[in-house]
Amino acid sequence: SQQGEEDPQALSIQEGENATMNCSYKTSINNLQWYRQNSGRGLVHLILIRSNEREKHSGRLRVTLDTSKKSSSLLITASRAADTASYFCATDGYSSASKIIFGSGTRLSIRP
Amino acid sequence: GAGVSQSPSNKVTEKGKDVELRCDPISGHTALYWYRQSLGQGLEFLIYFQGNSAPDKSGLPSDRFSAERTGGSVSTLTIQRTQQEDSAVYLCASSFDSRRSYEQYFGPGTRLTVT
Repeated sequence: SQQGEEDPQALSIQEGENATMNCSYKTSINNLQWYRQNSGRGLVHLILIRSNEREKHSGRLRVTLDTSKKSSSLLITASRAADTASYFCATDGYSSASKIIFGSGTRLSIRP
Repeated sequence: GAGVSQSPSNKVTEKGKDVELRCDPISGHTALYWYRQSLGQGLEFLIYFQGNSAPDKSGLPSDRFSAERTGGSVSTLTIQRTQQEDSAVYLCASSFDSRRSYEQYFGPGTRLTVT
């Protein structure tokens, strides 16, 4: 299975601190994406990193990708209460016809 | 433009009844996915459609589950003879072209409760 697995499963930090979540996957990929989910409903796309990229930034988000270790990390800097959510990584397979598979997610809680 | 919409938003049904869940993807998106999410869990892939290609049904948990996509647009997920373990949030997502791994746009989901 190409499914990604996030760790930790749950993370609680103080507002203003940085939050780091990790994702590991099993097969070669074209791209890896990170999504956020609030309140158990629809997911919102955060960032996409391609297999030939090693790092990508978007606002307070920093994503790294290490294809040799089949892992990625999502760093949220200067966390805010509104960052409280579940975060999922999603991977596709190397084949152009591969579907996108999501990991089990990290539940992030920001304490005020 | 409008995002992905799903209906109904909530559905309560009795065990053994059939249910139909609807997804309206973003216009022009050729890829459409169905996922299932149990409380506090990750997304379980069910099925995906890409253009006119045969759908990838590899995630459907049993033959009670089926889905169709008419005219390359609206999709319906049907669960026959519902069981209590089918209770979950069913999420639909569409993207411009899954072959290039464009980002997915999710609908708000349908919360299904089987009593």
